[in-house]
Amino acid sequence: QKEVEQNSGPLSVPEGAIASLNCTYSDRGSQSFFWYRQYSGKSPELIMSIYSNGDKEDGRFTAQLNKASQYVSLLIRDSQPSDSATYLCAVNANNFNKFYFGSGTKLNVKP
Amino acid sequence: ETGVTQTPRHLVMGMTNKKSLKCEQHLGHNAMYWYKQSAKKPLELMFVYSLEERVENNSVPSRFSPECPNSSHLFLHLHTLQPEDSALYLCASSLEPWQAIDGYTFGSGTRLTVV
Repeated sequence: QKEVEQNSGPLSVPEGAIASLNCTYSDRGSQSFFWYRQYSGKSPELIMSIYSNGDKEDGRFTAQLNKASQYVSLLIRDSQPSDSATYLCAVNANNFNKFYFGSGTKLNVKP
Repeated sequence: ETGVTQTPRHLVMGMTNKKSLKCEQHLGHNAMYWYKQSAKKPLELMFVYSLEERVENNSVPSRFSPECPNSSHLFLHLHTLQPEDSALYLCASSLEPWQAIDGYTFGSGTRLTVV
């Protein structure tokens, strides 16, 4: 079992729609959760972090964390073509011993 | 300069060449990492350094040789590479090894092509 799992996609949504990206993790004691955006050929860029159960909103982005179910999600409202990228989920495992990246979900926002 | 800087941005090398990738961070972080990202594959952790000491080496071939002279600089020395080593090589840093309250900060990467 992988430490962090994501659907590779591609996830296609029309412009203006809500894009929903999901991630599950295996270490129940994980403490910190992150979403990175990576444009093709570029390096990952941190866009959201979340540490407590519930929702965290930042502009058009909302991160959701459910530790009981061991999943974290990213919602992108009013999706734009410029949001087209691969989104990486990252998890700081129990006792901060490890930091794991998922394989990423490719998002295509169609004009 | 701020953040994490990697040079060169692009590198083409023959299989018999020797080259080095450089990474420099100006964030006051104590941990630095090398990741490899091949086309359509997830990030692969190669090396982890904490205050100039290597703390993890993930079964990387010896043709990749890391060097960390101080907590701000990290090198990846390359020699006798294979075409399958062509990839995006990313340097990252964090305040402490594995601890990433603010996440890892990545450099812009070096796109390596082995011919």
